[in-house]
Amino acid sequence: GENVEQHPSTLSVQEGDSAVIKCTYSDSASNYFPWYKQELGKRPQLIIDIRSNVGEKKDQRIAVTLNKTAKHFSLHITETQPEDSAVYFCAARIRANAGGTSYGKLTFGQGTILTVHP
Amino acid sequence: DTAVSQTPKYLVTQMGNDKSIKCEQNLGHDTMYWYKQDSKKFLKIMFSYNNKELIINETVPNRFSPKSPDKAHLNLHINSLELGDSAVYFCASSQANGRGGLVSGGYNEQFFGPGTRLTVL
Repeated sequence: GENVEQHPSTLSVQEGDSAVIKCTYSDSASNYFPWYKQELGKRPQLIIDIRSNVGEKKDQRIAVTLNKTAKHFSLHITETQPEDSAVYFCAARIRANAGGTSYGKLTFGQGTILTVHP
Repeated sequence: DTAVSQTPKYLVTQMGNDKSIKCEQNLGHDTMYWYKQDSKKFLKIMFSYNNKELIINETVPNRFSPKSPDKAHLNLHINSLELGDSAVYFCASSQANGRGGLVSGGYNEQFFGPGTRLTVL
């Protein structure tokens, strides 16, 4: 099955600095890579995602890069703000079929606790 | 509001008891999931149902029994609760692609419920 490794487990930055979180995956059949942000006591929420046919995607201060050959992908947050403090999860999704229906199974990384100091 | 909802939000119970958690989504999705998040924040999938059919069943003790009465609801019943069952349980939903074999996409976002914090004493 798929295995997703995420680093670092904790990341502390000063407001305004950049933050980078890296993930590797094991199954080359994985074709979709979402990133979720989970604030304390709340549900995980999708912040950005990338498909396997794309190398980079950007949304304002957040960007994700994907290297399919090396099987790793990264989240980049620029100009960090205290509100960015949260746990960030990467995930890899394998598409599978059951009974003629195509569905996806997400395997999550271990999470990164990001703390942005004012 | 369109959302994924779970009840109860908190559940405190004694070892050996049986309890249920309920999940409902009104997003019109056809696929629902149960995840367990342990004290180290690790999110692990337990089960998934597509149109009331079980499609993912990870290595979960058979004390855990999911039930999907319709595609908008997915419940989780846990028998003989153990200390190690203490965790936050998240329900999620997404829209899988339809029947008909290989299709493009299948990337649809999973929307999570607010979680149920289960504490077993």
